[in-house]
Amino acid sequence: GAGVSQSPSNKVTEKGKDVELRCDPISGHTALYWYRQSLGQGLEFLIYFQGNSAPDKSGLPSDRFSAERTGGSVSTLTIQRTQQEDSAVYLCASSLGVGSYNEQFFGPGTRLTVL
Amino acid sequence: ELKVEQNPLFLSMQEGKNYTIYCNYSTTSDRLYWYRQDPGKSLESLFVLLSNGAVKQEGRLMASLDTKARLSTLHITAAVHDLSATYFCAVDYSNSGYALNFGKGTSLLVTP
Repeated sequence: GAGVSQSPSNKVTEKGKDVELRCDPISGHTALYWYRQSLGQGLEFLIYFQGNSAPDKSGLPSDRFSAERTGGSVSTLTIQRTQQEDSAVYLCASSLGVGSYNEQFFGPGTRLTVL
Repeated sequence: ELKVEQNPLFLSMQEGKNYTIYCNYSTTSDRLYWYRQDPGKSLESLFVLLSNGAVKQEGRLMASLDTKARLSTLHITAAVHDLSATYFCAVDYSNSGYALNFGKGTSLLVTP
């Protein structure tokens, strides 16, 4: 079956521009997570959605970052006024849901480069 | 502060040799995950360990979990070049929405 998909695979933008990253989770998975992977910080949790509940935004590094999930499926991570330190690979993962067997399956990632 | 520590961070080993990667975590959790990442690729799930004493094996890799010691090990038996990759352990916690807290990863290179 289809895995987690993300688009675009690569994004190059200029400092100060806004970017949108998309994640399409595995069908039937109610939990969706965004992570960021960078050389300096390793793998960091950003935000988490469970079904139609309010998201857990505790990992977002600043108010320039936001995310939404429409219809309990596709999610978009938006970074406003991008900075060079936002350059990283943004990974999306989905799972069947918390409180249970929470194996998370990762998408291929979006490599963001801010010039 | 939640901490997940792996060691070693870098490992070069010869084909045919055995070695163990260690993963320690700071706060009680009953669930530990191992992932593999090839260069330029995403994370591939290897093992999910759900309880104290859990042991899982797949090919030349075997993972175990000791929740009392807050320690997981990933044992490599008779390494082959195809095992060269970065291996991450991760723990999830209920008070952070079961998001994964990752170690820094162990970069493994298997040489002839």
